[in-house]
Amino acid sequence: DGGITQSPKYLFRKEGQNVTLSCEQNLNHDAMYWYRQDPGQGLRLIYYSQIVNDFQKGDIAEGYSVSREKKESFPLTVTSAQKNPTAFYLCASSILNREAFFGQGTRLTVV
Amino acid sequence: GQNIDQPTEMTATEGAIVQINCTYQTSGFNGLFWYQQHAGEAPTFLSYNVLDGLEEKGRFSSFLSRSKGYSYLLLKELQMKDSASYLCAVKGDTNAGKSTFGDGTTLTVKP
Repeated sequence: DGGITQSPKYLFRKEGQNVTLSCEQNLNHDAMYWYRQDPGQGLRLIYYSQIVNDFQKGDIAEGYSVSREKKESFPLTVTSAQKNPTAFYLCASSILNREAFFGQGTRLTVV
Repeated sequence: GQNIDQPTEMTATEGAIVQINCTYQTSGFNGLFWYQQHAGEAPTFLSYNVLDGLEEKGRFSSFLSRSKGYSYLLLKELQMKDSASYLCAVKGDTNAGKSTFGDGTTLTVKP
């Protein structure tokens, strides 16, 4: 079955640590996205990529980094520079200008 | 910039009809999407409008007026499982291929 997979589902980070969230898709979509969602709010775009080896900052990129070395994979690193990283992180993929397919999300908590 | 407005909360009765409005101001327009998100889960795609008019899909319909920067999602024959957050998202400039999301409307369906 085609789909988009995020891991882990829950992640705990100590202050000052970097952590990497995984996102893999086998839908053959060119575009991939990372969103952050805080309680009671909508999705805010962190980074997106329209093609392999290329990506752009979204609205809240500070403290995050990404790579797109393969079409199927778009990992997100939450660095220690991100001062308030506790949130629900959603990865998505799409054919350009069509609907997004979302992974099940990673809930990151700073302890 | 991009600005999307939706009501924060709505309540309706099982079996009734509810209309969730969305107004937007974006630089460019390449489509409007509605997603459903149950608590703690990922959003799932409901509908897509790129031309003015009504798109019907079972119990769900979505309307778009590009000149007014306005859309609504119509849910008929409400069921308890329709209790969820409904997110309006707009794709702006074609160069970006990215969507801007509203904060979502939390719908509660009561018996």
